[in-house]
Amino acid sequence: SAVISQKPSRDICQRGTSLTIQCQVDSQVTMMFWYRQQPGQSLTLIATANQGSEATYESGFVIDKFPISRPNLTFSTLTVSNMSPEDSSIYLCSVSLWTDNEKLFFGSGTQLSVL
Amino acid sequence: GQQVMQIPQYQHVQEGEDFTTYCNSSTTLSNIQWYKQRPGGHPVFLIQLVKSGEVKKQKRLTFQFGEAKKNSSLHITATQTTDVGTYFCAGTSGNTGKLIFGQGTTLQVKP
Repeated sequence: SAVISQKPSRDICQRGTSLTIQCQVDSQVTMMFWYRQQPGQSLTLIATANQGSEATYESGFVIDKFPISRPNLTFSTLTVSNMSPEDSSIYLCSVSLWTDNEKLFFGSGTQLSVL
Repeated sequence: GQQVMQIPQYQHVQEGEDFTTYCNSSTTLSNIQWYKQRPGGHPVFLIQLVKSGEVKKQKRLTFQFGEAKKNSSLHITATQTTDVGTYFCAGTSGNTGKLIFGQGTTLQVKP
C-alpha cells in the first residue's frame, strides 16, 4: 500500500489568489494523478502528473489554470490559479504503485473554499 | 465520450437489509474497480474485476462483472451501519485505457 500526505487539508481563499497543494508519497509510484470532487459529486480527473515533464491535462483543464509539477517519483504539486468561487471543491492526489499499478490510492484531499 | 453510469444515486436502508448498486458503461471495459468513500473521507479501493462474468466476494460484499464487460454490480448482504458511505465504480476503457468513475451511490443505513 501507499501512505499519501496531502496538504493543506483545507483552506479558505480569496477570489483572484492562488493555492498550491502538495502531495508526498512514501512509496515508489508509477503514476500520480490529480482529481477534483465537487460536493456530492463523482471524481473528475484534472491531469496526470509526469515526472520531469509537463503534465497531461484532461479536456476542460488547462495548464495556466492548474499548473502541476512533479520533480521526482514521490512528490507533486497542483496549483489552483486565479481562483473563483467555481473552483471551490475537494482536490485529491492519487497514485498507483509499481507493485500494483492498476489500483489507485488517494490522499486525504484538500477542501478548498473560494470567497 | 465514454460514460459510466451508476444507479441509484442514493439508497436508504434499514440495518440488516440488503443493498445493490449497479454500474453500466457505454463501451466495453478492460476492467472495473470499486471504491468506497466514507463521509468526509477519501476513496478507498475495494476490488478489481477483470474477467467476463467474474464474481468476487469480500465477506458480505459480492461484486460481479457482466458477461459483455459493460456492467457491474456491488451487492451488500445484511447491511450494517459501518457500510455507510458512497460507493463508486470506475471502469478502464478498452479503447483509451483511461479510468472513468461513475457518479457514485450514497448508502445510508438506519440502525
